[in-house]
Amino acid sequence: DSGVTQTPKHLITATGQRVTLRCSPRSGDLSVYWYQQSLDQGLQFLIQYYNGEERAKGNILERFSAQQFPDLHSELNLSSLELGDSALYFCASSALGQVTDTQYFGPGTRLTVL
Amino acid sequence: AQSVTQLDSQVPVFEEAPVELRCNYSSSVSVYLFWYVQYPNQGLQLLLKYLSGSTLVKGINGFEAEFNKSQTSFHLRKPSVHISDTAEYFCAVRSGGYQKVTFGTGTKLQVIP
Repeated sequence: DSGVTQTPKHLITATGQRVTLRCSPRSGDLSVYWYQQSLDQGLQFLIQYYNGEERAKGNILERFSAQQFPDLHSELNLSSLELGDSALYFCASSALGQVTDTQYFGPGTRLTVL
Repeated sequence: AQSVTQLDSQVPVFEEAPVELRCNYSSSVSVYLFWYVQYPNQGLQLLLKYLSGSTLVKGINGFEAEFNKSQTSFHLRKPSVHISDTAEYFCAVRSGGYQKVTFGTGTKLQVIP
């Protein structure tokens, strides 16, 4: 158990819909990262937050957005969903959000878009 | 730009045999290198990381990796594998102060009893 929690575990929805994935970091960690893992694209970094502020952006689509709240939990919002958005979405956290930090991964949310 | 290549998508190996999982990276600046393991239906777990210093890095579960700058490689090794090592292994790179991490496509290690 990494200490990172993600909800829900599974999510099934239809094209065009909007969903919100939630992540709670390990106690004391200030930085949160979001990743997408799919058969087509592999494991891709989406976005990083540190103490409520966006720190780095990866291959995140404009239809996707994220935020980190004052209690440090984070949400990833996916809108206008397409079939290709079906994937496993991981959240990770680290202490200070530095490049040398160890990232601790949550168990993931499996999103299925029908 | 940074990139990672894991040439082997699958590696079958008999139990108690040694294994090497290959990783090559590309970056124009100094790099930090990582190996992660993903067990079925689970998230990723860090095995080991190279930040600086000794080029031989020891990790958890008996794994080690060697950073070779001239060959731009960071191969993962274990002298004797167990059934429980069956998993997918990902090599990853972060360059300099660049926050983005790039993952390889993964290598599935199948340990045969």
